[in-house]
Parts: sequence; C-alpha cells; structure tokens
Amino acid sequence: QVQLVESGGGVVQPGRSLRLACAGSGFTFRSYGMHWVRQAPGRGLEWVAVISDDGSHKYYADSVKGRFTISRDNSKNTLYLQMNSLRTEDTAVYYCAKDWAAPGLFDYWGQGTQVTVSS
Amino acid sequence: DIVMTQSPDSLAVSLGERATINCKSSQSVLYSSNNRDYLAWYQQKPGQPPKLLIYWASTRQSGVPDRFSGSGSGTDFTLTISSLQAEDVAVYYCHQYYTTPKCSFGQGTKLEIK
Repeated sequence: QVQLVESGGGVVQPGRSLRLACAGSGFTFRSYGMHWVRQAPGRGLEWVAVISDDGSHKYYADSVKGRFTISRDNSKNTLYLQMNSLRTEDTAVYYCAKDWAAPGLFDYWGQGTQVTVSS
Repeated sequence: DIVMTQSPDSLAVSLGERATINCKSSQSVLYSSNNRDYLAWYQQKPGQPPKLLIYWASTRQSGVPDRFSGSGSGTDFTLTISSLQAEDVAVYYCHQYYTTPKCSFGQGTKLEIK
C-alpha cells in the first residue's frame, strides 16, 4: 500500500535552517509529482511547493519563495524540503502529498512532521 | 491567484440530518478543453492528514460512503452529507487544482454534532 513518511521536523530558532524528508513506498515514486503542504496550529491548509516527477520543474508559494527549496532523489524514493531563514510564521505541521489524476490533486498524504520556529 | 472561500466557517447538524457546505472560487475552475471542474473536497479529522472525498467536483473517491456528494460548476460548489453520522465530525476543505501544479484551499468548515 502507498505510504508517505515525513521526517526531519523539530524546534529551531528564527533565521536557522531545517531539512525535511518524505520517504515514499508502495507506488512508482519517480512517476508522480510531489508536494509539500503545511498547516499552522489551529489553522487551515497552505500549499507550499511542488516538484515534477523528474525534478525538472519546481514551483513555490509566495510565502516561501527564495527561502525554501524542494528537491527529490528518485533513486531513494525520497522528497525533500530545505527550509532556510526560518520565521516564526513557518511554524506548522508539514505534510508531503502525492499527485494523482491531475497535478495538484492529492490522493495520499503523509502523517506530517511538526516544525516549530521559536527563540 | 485563485481564492477559495467556504461557508459557513462552522456548522452543527443533528445526527441523521443533512449537512451542506459551500465553496466559492474567485474565478472559474472549469477547464473548457475537457469540461472538468478542477475542484476537490477533503475531510480532516483531529491529528490526521486530510483525506480525499470528492474530485472533479462530483466524483466520489473509492471507498467514500455514498452519503457524501459534491455538486456545482464554475465558481460555486457544494459538499453535501445526506445523513450525518458521528464519524463525519471533522473539518472539510475545498481545494482547487485548476492552477495546476499550484493549488489552493478554502479556509475550512468545522462540522459538529448538534
């Protein structure tokens, strides 16, 4: 069965960096675009970034552009999110999600990893 | 950017009664070349990731009970739960993927039992 498992979250000071990972299994990872979506405490869902199946195309939300970098290693079935210059407003649960019938339509999500930016 | 606005923000419905959640997009999400609305609905229970319920505005995902239905086209959409069950307590989000591969979500509607 399809599984997406995030890791790498934690507590970090403002201005510091963190790298999240999402390990995929149960499907042909290299065939699907992958996304990061975040959810601040008590808030709704915010799309963060997407990477195409081969990694050649990447898009970001304005709120993270220039600070976050999405990447993937298809040989390891793993998606990454490098987060630099972190701000308190980046505090959230970060989910990875898999494209399905259309880019941006998600059929599977990971359980999420908590990122807390605090001094 | 397409802004998705849901109403109401919260809703309390008696068990067995109908629940209706609305979603309005700031521009049409109907793609004319294939006549499909790029609109999905997700259900999120506390401590869990979202679960896909409806896509293409009205197609139920495999395994989703038939009491869940989606309707609408263009800019106005509705998620209906025909007979509310206790396990349906959750937050529901509409989601547009018209601006693929980017996308955006509504602010969520919290559904509770009256």
